[in-house]
Amino acid sequence: DVKVTQSSRYLVKRTGEKVFLECVQDMDHENMFWYRQDPGLGLRLIYFSYDVKMKEKGDIPEGYSVSREKKERFSLILESASTNQTSMYLCASRNTGYLAGANVLTFGAGSRLTVL
Amino acid sequence: GENVEQHPSTLSVQEGDSAVIKCTYSDSASNYFPWYKQELGKRPQLIIDIRSNVGEKKDQRIAVTLNKTAKHFSLHITETQPEDSAVYFCAASRGGTSYGKLTFGQGTILTVHP
Repeated sequence: DVKVTQSSRYLVKRTGEKVFLECVQDMDHENMFWYRQDPGLGLRLIYFSYDVKMKEKGDIPEGYSVSREKKERFSLILESASTNQTSMYLCASRNTGYLAGANVLTFGAGSRLTVL
Repeated sequence: GENVEQHPSTLSVQEGDSAVIKCTYSDSASNYFPWYKQELGKRPQLIIDIRSNVGEKKDQRIAVTLNKTAKHFSLHITETQPEDSAVYFCAASRGGTSYGKLTFGQGTILTVHP
């Protein structure tokens, strides 16, 4: 089974703090993603990465940055946390190709961030 | 960019009834349409997907239909069971390297009453 592990399940931070959300996958997937989940809004794409050191903005990148120095790890960074960034953050990975199961997003368990 | 609208936001059915969730999308270039199920406190998981060269796909009690002309697709669950209770998300994307760049709907909370 592919495993996508998010290091923190619950975080509480203060406004203005720098926040790091870490995500690690163990199946050598090329693509990794960060989504934000809010009730009534579904899942919205923040950033994604096709491969190491490659990143592309999603639909709501403002206030966030990402880092992918190694294939298995994709980090989401909130440079200066704000209360409107209180949310559930979901990391996902995906393998490419033509085999069965390709192109399916595998999600992590989520990191619930509260910014006070 | 793509916009996906999902209805209804909540759906309550009796065990054994059918449930239908509908989604519309805006980008005519979208050609991949997955459905994810998220049980309470758990991560979303793919339950079925369809590509634009197919009008319908079935997997046991679940089926998805796609109408490209009208730009809408639907999830059908027959003989619902309490374990079908969850939040269901539809999504859409273009093909190629954009497969993972999914735009999700707002989600439908399905409750199946025993």
